[in-house]
Amino acid sequence: GAVVSQHPSRVICKSGTSVKIECRSLDFQATTMFWYRQFPKQSLMLMATSNEGSKATYEQGVEKDKFLINHASLTLSTLTVTSAHPEDSSFYICSAMNRGRETQYFGPGTRLLVL
Amino acid sequence: DQQVKQNSPSLSVQEGRISILNCDYTNSMFDYFLWYKKYPAEGPTFLISISSIKDKNEDGRFTVFLNKSAKHLSLHIVPSQPGDSAVYFCAASGSGAGSYQLTFGKGTKLSVIP
Repeated sequence: GAVVSQHPSRVICKSGTSVKIECRSLDFQATTMFWYRQFPKQSLMLMATSNEGSKATYEQGVEKDKFLINHASLTLSTLTVTSAHPEDSSFYICSAMNRGRETQYFGPGTRLLVL
Repeated sequence: DQQVKQNSPSLSVQEGRISILNCDYTNSMFDYFLWYKKYPAEGPTFLISISSIKDKNEDGRFTVFLNKSAKHLSLHIVPSQPGDSAVYFCAASGSGAGSYQLTFGKGTKLSVIP
């Protein structure tokens, strides 16, 4: 149990375009989902916390207009990187938390490369 | 200021021996601790967790020890296997409603030598 999927696994896009990344909890309902970013050889940095049916809470320094998060259902959250720039190239990972649990289960990650 | 610290960036252990990964934290509000294993270009995989009301939790080859007074926890893997080679992240979360955000350490790369 507790499987989280992400799509796509890899994406290459041109500078200025927008990219949408989907995060799904496959076998449980996730009231809360998290989006992380990982730079090479660094730890995971929390970008935002997403609660189903409400606006996401962004961490300091994360532009909410650039990284749009939608948590429309208990099994799906999306992260849209708008007007992507090469510095947005990174590894984006989502996690989902079971209702009433404290453990986050992570998706496999999405490698974004902006040319 | 790092609230969760993994001071050893890497560790090498012989197959069959014990691997001990350490983690220190500074925030006394943390009351739930987790260990994740991560391979390159993959998401972290949950391994084991411990609540602050306990000092030990065991699951198969993995045991986590918590010393609250020292604000220190450790993950023991015994016996170590080559497949255990990965980066291990220590994470912590605080108490209170909605305080489920995780704070991660920088990770320790474990290499198990056959």
